Amino acid sequence: EAGVAQSPRYKIIEKRQSVAFWCNPISGHATLYWYQQILGQGPKLLIQFQNNGVVDDSQLPKDRFSAERLKGVDSTLKIQPAKLEDSAVYLCASSPRLAGVYEQYFGPGTRLTVT
Amino acid sequence: GENVGLHLPTLSVQEGDNSIINCAYSNSASDYFIWYKQESGKGPQFIIDIRSNMDKRQGQRVTVLLNKTVKHLSLQIAATQPGDSAVYFCAETLYGGSQGNLIFGKGTKLSVKP
Repeated sequence: EAGVAQSPRYKIIEKRQSVAFWCNPISGHATLYWYQQILGQGPKLLIQFQNNGVVDDSQLPKDRFSAERLKGVDSTLKIQPAKLEDSAVYLCASSPRLAGVYEQYFGPGTRLTVT
Repeated sequence: GENVGLHLPTLSVQEGDNSIINCAYSNSASDYFIWYKQESGKGPQFIIDIRSNMDKRQGQRVTVLLNKTVKHLSLQIAATQPGDSAVYFCAETLYGGSQGNLIFGKGTKLSVKP
């Protein structure tokens, strides 16, 4: 079974620029998560989708971050404009429908550096 | 993820020794806990979980201990191997893990010397 795919793996941008990350979850997984992992810290949930609907986006900085999952499969996370403190690894995870939170399968992440 | 181990507490052990990694969780109402392993360049990987009605749970070479009185978790790895080198995170959640969000703690970097 293929795992969660993310691209790009690395991205370097200047502050105030825009950036987008892409996630392809495991086939058939209804729930998709985006996490931000700052260097030296554990992942922090940004947004959770169930199919193409948002379940929880309470920790998403909505003035600059946006995410969508239009067809209930792939998802994109966008930052516009980026700040220095957005430098982090952005992890995508997916889980089957009705699964517990423990059944999250994580992708390898996208490492963002904002200069 | 890349270089997530920088600036983390580090535990260095000899191959074959037992490792104990500790974690303090934040919410006394949390009732479900998970340990994750994160290797360089990869996302976190589930190791073992425990519910708050248990004090101890064993897996293959791993044991998790839960002390609710002091809000403390530990992960014991028996006969540590070089492949165990990674950053380890504990995570807590509510509702028995059936819903809600995972709250990750600060990680510990385990380094195994051959």
